Amino acid sequence: DAGVTQSPTHLIKTRGQQVTLRCSPKSGHDTVSWYQQALGQGPQFIFQYYEEEERQRGNFPDRFSGHQFPNYSSELNVNALLLGDSALYLCASSWDGGGPQHFGDGTRLSIL
Amino acid sequence: GQNIDQPTEMTATEGAIVQINCTYQTSGFNGLFWYQQHAGEAPTFLSYNVLDGLEEKGRFSSFLSRSKGYSYLLLKELQMKDSASYLCAVSPNSGGYNKLIFGAGTRLAVHP
Repeated sequence: DAGVTQSPTHLIKTRGQQVTLRCSPKSGHDTVSWYQQALGQGPQFIFQYYEEEERQRGNFPDRFSGHQFPNYSSELNVNALLLGDSALYLCASSWDGGGPQHFGDGTRLSIL
Repeated sequence: GQNIDQPTEMTATEGAIVQINCTYQTSGFNGLFWYQQHAGEAPTFLSYNVLDGLEEKGRFSSFLSRSKGYSYLLLKELQMKDSASYLCAVSPNSGGYNKLIFGAGTRLAVHP
């Protein structure tokens, strides 16, 4: 039973570029949440997708956007990258009916 | 506002017991979670408390006092592999498992 998978593992971009990160949820899960984790900090909630709609959003600018597909997989897009966007981006999936969120290994994004 | 506090670092000896405290102030409360995160890896779910009291799961136990906004994670019979960051997280929304608000994490070092 595959867990949450994310791609790519690592990514290097320059300021002003755009990036797309991908996530496949754990089997049986229908909800996907995205978090940003800076070094030495806890994850910060970006947004959550359920039934292909953004259900909740954290305190992140509109440069951060997402999408959920009919198979429950999800993408996180970040436009106009800033140096401060360098972080580990974690995807977490869960079942809307209950149960904890399960995390993927994340995508390490570095902005030069 | 939303605030979750936990100690930054702790050290303990192999075979001993350690207690990691977490205090929280959130606009709502729908449960408290503990996750373990080894360096460079995904956070993994350890425990969930929504009612006051102690939840025991093998070598790990978690306690919650909602009136005090306080939780702790108790690790018994410490092993070297328990060296990791421990993240305290609160789900502030009613109606199910939604976004998680994380503390900065407690880095635990277990030494022989």
